[in-house]
Amino acid sequence: QKEVEQDPGPLSVPEGAIVSLNCTYSNSAFQYFMWYRQYSRKGPELLMYTYSSGNKEDGRFTAQVDKSSKYISLFIRDSQPSDSATYLCAMSARGRDDKIIFGKGTRLHILP
Amino acid sequence: GAVVSQHPSWVICKSGTSVKIECRSLDFQATTMFWYRQFPKQSLMLMATSNEGSKATYEQGVEKDKFLINHASLTLSTLTVTSAHPEDSSFYICSAPRGGSNTEAFFGQGTRLTVV
Repeated sequence: QKEVEQDPGPLSVPEGAIVSLNCTYSNSAFQYFMWYRQYSRKGPELLMYTYSSGNKEDGRFTAQVDKSSKYISLFIRDSQPSDSATYLCAMSARGRDDKIIFGKGTRLHILP
Repeated sequence: GAVVSQHPSWVICKSGTSVKIECRSLDFQATTMFWYRQFPKQSLMLMATSNEGSKATYEQGVEKDKFLINHASLTLSTLTVTSAHPEDSSFYICSAPRGGSNTEAFFGQGTRLTVV
């Protein structure tokens, strides 16, 4: 079993819809959970990070972590065509100077 | 603006030659930087951890003699792909944590290496 599982998609949704992106993981030591957005042929851009379980909101983005289920989610409200990208979940155990384990990424297409 | 700058953004080289990729933190110091490789439609795979003033730490299966890492200053790490072969063609990305926490790691723009 891979440490981090993420459906590669592609996921196509109409503009304005709510998008739900998810990852599961197997390592219970993970405590830091991140979401990155990556446009084609560019480096990843950090969107949000969460420590331990709970929710975090930033504008149209909401990150949720359920450590009991080893399941994390990213919700995008009022999706825009500019949100079309690959979204990578990532996680680490200790945070500081610790290696980050990435999911494969989900390709998202927002249809105008 | 970008806080981590990577150069070049793309490079084509002949098989057997060496290629150097630079990663700079622009407005902060980074005692640690990370180098990743990403194949098409695949995740970022950590290759090595670059430590300022000391030897890099390589992940299992990554040849240290092939992928030379130098972290000569607090703002610059370099990755040199030596004797490149077509199978080394990939997207190479560096990252640097700001504020001492890798949860706020910033990534460079990536370097697309094509070995012909």
